[in-house]
Amino acid sequence: ETGVTQSPTHLIKTRGQQVTLRCSSQSGHNTVSWYQQALGQGPQFIFQYYREEENGRGNFPPRFSGLQFPNYSSELNVNALELDDSALYLCASSSFPAPGNEQFFGPGTRLTVL
Amino acid sequence: QKEVEQDPGPLSVPEGAIVSLNCTYSNSAFQYFMWYRQYSRKGPELLMYTYSSGNKEDGRFTAQVDKSSKYISLFIRDSQPSDSATYLCAMSEDTDKLIFGTGTRLQVFP
Repeated sequence: ETGVTQSPTHLIKTRGQQVTLRCSSQSGHNTVSWYQQALGQGPQFIFQYYREEENGRGNFPPRFSGLQFPNYSSELNVNALELDDSALYLCASSSFPAPGNEQFFGPGTRLTVL
Repeated sequence: QKEVEQDPGPLSVPEGAIVSLNCTYSNSAFQYFMWYRQYSRKGPELLMYTYSSGNKEDGRFTAQVDKSSKYISLFIRDSQPSDSATYLCAMSEDTDKLIFGTGTRLQVFP
């Protein structure tokens, strides 16, 4: 069984640029959630994708967008990068979107915006 | 006021000590309570999960939820250096959107 994988591991961008982060869900999982973890903080929910549709969104502006593909892998896109977007971006997969259902986290992508 | 409050530490204890980690919350609609462990440069890993109030034990770990006080705890018995990590509490209402605390950094020294 393959766990959740994310790419790239690290990324450096400049303010105003756009970035795409990728996540492969654990085998058998059809739900992917994205979280932003700033340094010294807990993860914050960005949005969730279930069967290729957005299924809930946190308090993030529209320049944060996502996609889920038929194989349930997912992308997080961030446009017009700001310095405060520097963070660890985590994706988590689960077998279906249900309260209390275990979410398995990937190792994250560390984004630095200069 | 944040929905979930957690002391960031760091908490430094000798090997073998009992560790107590806590979170308070303000949203009475939270029903699901979790503790995650996060090692440096890794994603969070689920340690304990509790629905509603009560206690749950798993090996050296015990989770407690007191909904009347809006307070949750994680106890680690016989702490080991390998337990050194950041411990995150997380909660959710009737969805699987998790609300995390800031995390408590724990260091167990030999």
